[in-house]
Amino acid sequence: QVQLQESGPGLVKPSQTLSLTCTVSGGSISGGTFFWSWIRQPAGKGLEWIGRIYSSGSTNYNPSLKSRVTISVDTSKNQFSLKLSSVTAADTAVYYCARLIYDTSGYYPDYWGQGTLVTVSS
Amino acid sequence: DIQMTQSPSSLSASVGDRVTITCRASQGISNSLAWYQQKPGKAPKLLLYAASRLESGVPSRFSGSGSATDYTLTISSLQPEDFATYYCQQYYNTLWTFGQGTKVEIK
Repeated sequence: QVQLQESGPGLVKPSQTLSLTCTVSGGSISGGTFFWSWIRQPAGKGLEWIGRIYSSGSTNYNPSLKSRVTISVDTSKNQFSLKLSSVTAADTAVYYCARLIYDTSGYYPDYWGQGTLVTVSS
Repeated sequence: DIQMTQSPSSLSASVGDRVTITCRASQGISNSLAWYQQKPGKAPKLLLYAASRLESGVPSRFSGSGSATDYTLTISSLQPEDFATYYCQQYYNTLWTFGQGTKVEIK
């Protein structure tokens, strides 16, 4: 069974860069036709899609975050990563990584990590 | 962006009740819709995809229907473990968007 685990600092200072890594186990990040994605959820609020990456490195980002987001993949470590620059308190959220699986209806997330809380504060 | 409007935002129900949650897209999404259940402190759990296909391991009391812009999640007989928040999500285009959530509470 595929498992995803987010890791990274839980506290980031304003204007700095948030960096998170998602480690995939139980399957190869480069095996199959999967995308890998980041999604976030501020406390008590709804879900916001951040972006996705294919094992080849091809990416798509939410236009509202595009200027600040970079998602990368390291197939040798079976990991993919998120960098979000120039963070503010509005970026405080639980960050989830997820695997996207293909169906004739499109790519949708079937496996999610447990989530990691990142707080932006000085 | 495709806006997803979920209703109601919350509801109170009893064990055994039939519960229906609606999600309306601002444009047609050709059944590219997923439903999730989320409990406090946990990641969302996939219930259905392609509007009506039940994810493996999900109880059959959950069902989905709809087409074009209007979709429905139905819980045929609410169980104690079903009290949670439910989200719809469109994946018709690359810019995913989610409904605002429906909190199902115990009456």
